[in-house]
Amino acid sequence: DSGVTQTPKHLITATGQRVTLRCSPRSGDLSVYWYQQSLDQGLQFLIQYYNGEERAKGNILERFSAQQFPDLHSELNLSSLELGDSALYFCASSVGQGSADTQYFGPGTRLTVL
Amino acid sequence: EDQVTQSPEALRLQEGESSSLNCSYTVSGLRGLFWYRQDPGKGPEFLFTLYSAGEEKEKERLKATLTKKESFLHITAPKPEDSATYLCAVQASGGSYIPTFGRGTSLIVHP
Repeated sequence: DSGVTQTPKHLITATGQRVTLRCSPRSGDLSVYWYQQSLDQGLQFLIQYYNGEERAKGNILERFSAQQFPDLHSELNLSSLELGDSALYFCASSVGQGSADTQYFGPGTRLTVL
Repeated sequence: EDQVTQSPEALRLQEGESSSLNCSYTVSGLRGLFWYRQDPGKGPEFLFTLYSAGEEKEKERLKATLTKKESFLHITAPKPEDSATYLCAVQASGGSYIPTFGRGTSLIVHP
């Protein structure tokens, strides 16, 4: 158990819908990272927040957004869902902003878009 | 652009048959190299961080080594429970602190 929690574990929804994925980092960690993992793409970095502020952005679609709250939990919002958004979404956390920090991953949310 | 290549893509071993997984990387400067283990449908589990060439770390049957261009994950006398996908990630010095992940090596150990 990494100490990172994610909810829900599974999410099944329809195209065009909007969903919210939630992540709570390890105690003491200030950074939260979001990743998408699909069979053909591997682990793709989406976005990083550090202590409530956006720090780095990867290949995140405009339909996706995220935020980190004062209690350091984070939410990833996915809207206008398409079939291709079906994937595993992982949250990771680290102590600092990222320099040589080890990222600890949560168990993931499996999103299925029908 | 930072690149991480893992080989082989898949590896089948008999229980007790030692082998090595390779992670070769191209970065402007290495800040850290990370190894993770991932079971199907689960989140990556941290194994090791290596920072400089010549560094080695061990954990049970696993040993990670690092050179200036590649890292090896040596698996000694593997057991079926070592079956998983092993991911390598590289963090470059300067710029974004976001690590670049390889596609992984899928390891199956047969009893």
